[in-house]
Order: sequence, then structure tokens, then C-alpha cells
Amino acid sequence: SQQGEEDPQALSIQEGENATMNCSYKTSINNLQWYRQNSGRGLVHLILIRSNEREKHSGRLRVTLDTSKKSSSLLITASRAADTASYFCATDPNTGNQFYFGTGTSLTVIP
Amino acid sequence: EPEVTQTPSHQVTQMGQEVILRCVPISNHLYFYWYRQILGQKVEFLVSFYNNEISEKSEIFDDQFSVERPDGSNFTLKIRSTKLEDSAMYFCASSKDGVTTGELFFGEGSRLTVL
Repeated sequence: SQQGEEDPQALSIQEGENATMNCSYKTSINNLQWYRQNSGRGLVHLILIRSNEREKHSGRLRVTLDTSKKSSSLLITASRAADTASYFCATDPNTGNQFYFGTGTSLTVIP
Repeated sequence: EPEVTQTPSHQVTQMGQEVILRCVPISNHLYFYWYRQILGQKVEFLVSFYNNEISEKSEIFDDQFSVERPDGSNFTLKIRSTKLEDSAMYFCASSKDGVTTGELFFGEGSRLTVL
């Protein structure tokens, strides 16, 4: 299966600290994306990084991609209580019209 | 801001009944998807749809499932004879360019409970 695997499964930090989540996947990809899901809600796109990019920033988010290791990381700096959510990586394989989601990291930011 | 809308937000049904979940994708989007998420678990791909036909489907999407775009705006998922294990949150998503740009826009989901 192409599905990614995030780790850790759960992460609890204090407000103001940085949160790092990792994603590993199995086959070659066109791009990798990170999504956020608040409890009981739909997924919201955060950031996309293409296979020929190594790092990308968006506000307090920093994403890295290492295609040789088939892994990505999402760093949220200066976390806030409102960042509490589940975070998923999603990949699209080089073939087909589909996106595969990982298992998610549940982030809790304690005020 | 344009959004994907899904109805119903919650449906309770008896095992063996047919269920239709409805989605209105963003109007200028061309690629449509259904995913499901069993409570607290991973988001699973069901099916993708483009140019009025299925482009990809997963092993979950068996003969009990079907999708349709009946009128150019709605995108429906039908489960013919529901099973207990079909209980999940079903998410519809749409994308303007599919895998080219990669961003999916999700609806808020339809929670299906099969008794």
C-alpha cells in the first residue's frame, strides 16, 4: 500500500513549544501534502511540497521532504492551543488519480 | 469562499438498507473523491471520479458501492446494502486539477451509523 505512516501517533506539548511530526511512505510520489483535521471535522489542506523540493515554509509551518528516505516532516513552531488537531500526510503516487493519507498524528497543545 | 458541502451530516440506518450520501463539490473543480474514516482511525481512499467516470477505486469500494454525478453539480455515493462495518464518517473532496496541483478540498463529512 502507498499509505503513509506518521509518527508519533500522539504528541502532547506545552503552548509555545515546537511540534514535529514525521511521515514515511512507500513508493515514488509527485508531491506530498499535509492536512489538518479538527475533531469531527473535515480535513483542511495546510501545505504541499513537490518531489523536487526539499523544504517549504508557510507561516509557522515548515515542511521538509527527503525522497531518498521516502520521508517528510512537519514542524509547527511556537505552538498554540488552537493547533490542537490531528495532522495527516497525503501522497499521490506517480500513477493514478488518487491521494493516500497516513494514519495521522494527534497533537495536543496544552495552554 | 467556495466550499464542498455534504448532506446529510448524520444518517442512522438499519443493516441491509440502501444509503445515498450527497456532495456538492466546488463548482469549477473537475476531480471528485470519496474517503471514509472509521472513528478515530486513518482516512481511507474509496474512489476517484473524473470526466463522468471512475478513475480509481480501492479494494474497499466493492460492488455494494457506486458513485454518480447525476446533474453536473451533485456527486453521490450509494451503498446498496449497508453492513455494520460501513459505519464511518464519509468525506467527499474535490480538486481543480487532480494530482497536478494536489490540493483537495474536503466537505465536513457525513456520519453513517449502521445498526
